[in-house]
Amino acid sequence: DADVTQTPRNRITKTGKRIMLECSQTKGHDRMYWYRQDPGLGLRLIYYSFDVKDINKGEISDGYSVSRQAQAKFSLSLESAIPNQTALYFCATRGPGLGGDEQFFGPGTRLTVL
Amino acid sequence: KQEVTQIPAALSVPEGENLVLNCSFTDSAIYNLQWFRQDPGKGLTSLLLIQSSQREQTSGRLNASLDKSSGRSTLYIAASQPGDSATYLCAVKGTGGSYIPTFGRGTSLIVHP
Repeated sequence: DADVTQTPRNRITKTGKRIMLECSQTKGHDRMYWYRQDPGLGLRLIYYSFDVKDINKGEISDGYSVSRQAQAKFSLSLESAIPNQTALYFCATRGPGLGGDEQFFGPGTRLTVL
Repeated sequence: KQEVTQIPAALSVPEGENLVLNCSFTDSAIYNLQWFRQDPGKGLTSLLLIQSSQREQTSGRLNASLDKSSGRSTLYIAASQPGDSATYLCAVKGTGGSYIPTFGRGTSLIVHP
């Protein structure tokens, strides 16, 4: 089973709709992140959380909000979706791996806003 | 502010070639560096992690090296195969309390038969 899962994997929605993307992890890591990826722009950090009570804005947080419901769950919401939020969204965790402190990614959610 | 650059942005090679992907960073005060592979439309898969105290790491046909003084890491792929076609990204985590890595934009690799 995947260590970091995201739902849904694909979503098409209309401008103005509220959307929630969910992330769950079984790695036991405290640190969790939400990124978006756009062609030519690379990965950009939206929000990150270092524990349930710690939420921080990343470089492009406008138009997004997050909720850390538990150590294992970190949700990203688009309160009123707009077309330029069409992108590939990734959740990630960070913590001890085989080689040291490393990052682990979910499979991504492809979001299209019409 | 750390900046990470990956050159070239795209690379196309025939099957069987040995190749080197480059990752440059501006601040040598790093904690570790991680190489990822990303297939089109998919998530990032961790390939290798190099701690700041290490010079290289190997996994199968992959070898990653780190030279902090020159601000460079290279990912060497031996005997490339069409299945190696993907985008390769590097991410640098700095020292200090921040757990926010800085990502390069990746090198898109195509290995053709």
